[in-house]
Amino acid sequence: AQRVTQPEKLLSVFKGAPVELKCNYSYSGSPELFWYVQYSRQRLQLLLRHISRESIKGFTADLNKGETSFHLKKPFAQEEDSAMYYCALSSFNNAGNMLTFGGGTRLMVKP
Amino acid sequence: EPEVTQTPSHQVTQMGQEVILRCVPISNHLYFYWYRQILGQKVEFLVSFYNNEISEKSEIFDDQFSVERPDGSNFTLKIRSTKLEDSAMYFCASSLSAGINTGELFFGEGSRLTVL
Repeated sequence: AQRVTQPEKLLSVFKGAPVELKCNYSYSGSPELFWYVQYSRQRLQLLLRHISRESIKGFTADLNKGETSFHLKKPFAQEEDSAMYYCALSSFNNAGNMLTFGGGTRLMVKP
Repeated sequence: EPEVTQTPSHQVTQMGQEVILRCVPISNHLYFYWYRQILGQKVEFLVSFYNNEISEKSEIFDDQFSVERPDGSNFTLKIRSTKLEDSAMYFCASSLSAGINTGELFFGEGSRLTVL
């Protein structure tokens, strides 16, 4: 069975500090991993996906199959990064894109 | 920018009552989903819907739940006889396809269901 674990419920950093939000997964196949973000009073939205290897809002995430991790990183946190972050694993098949979410990490960036 | 919309934003109901949660997916999307999040817990997949039928469902989605797309725009989740443990935030989502590049899920803002 697939599983996503985010070990930290809350991460608090000062503005300008580096950020790393941890995500570990277990999946028997080839994983497709995503980070979703939910800003205060807004909807869940896709932040980035591992396959595109992109940097969004300064965030990057590298898939490490050996460590089964997909940690989200940003070198210099901004106050507007404060939000709930969810790591998710996808089972793509003809039925759709079913996501298994981690429990989420609340990032608080203090001024 | 097109968005997934959900109504109501909050519903309070008595145990045993039927509840219908409504969603309007993005108009050109073909796949529709319901997820739920019980307070303090993970967001969990309930069901996916494609081509006017359920394409996949989780073990949470038992006989008390049903989905339909009655008129080509709305996508509804019905809970036949609510239980206390159905209290949760229910998220509707849609995607253009099932593929890795165009299968991004777009979520609604959620409908909070409180069962008393």
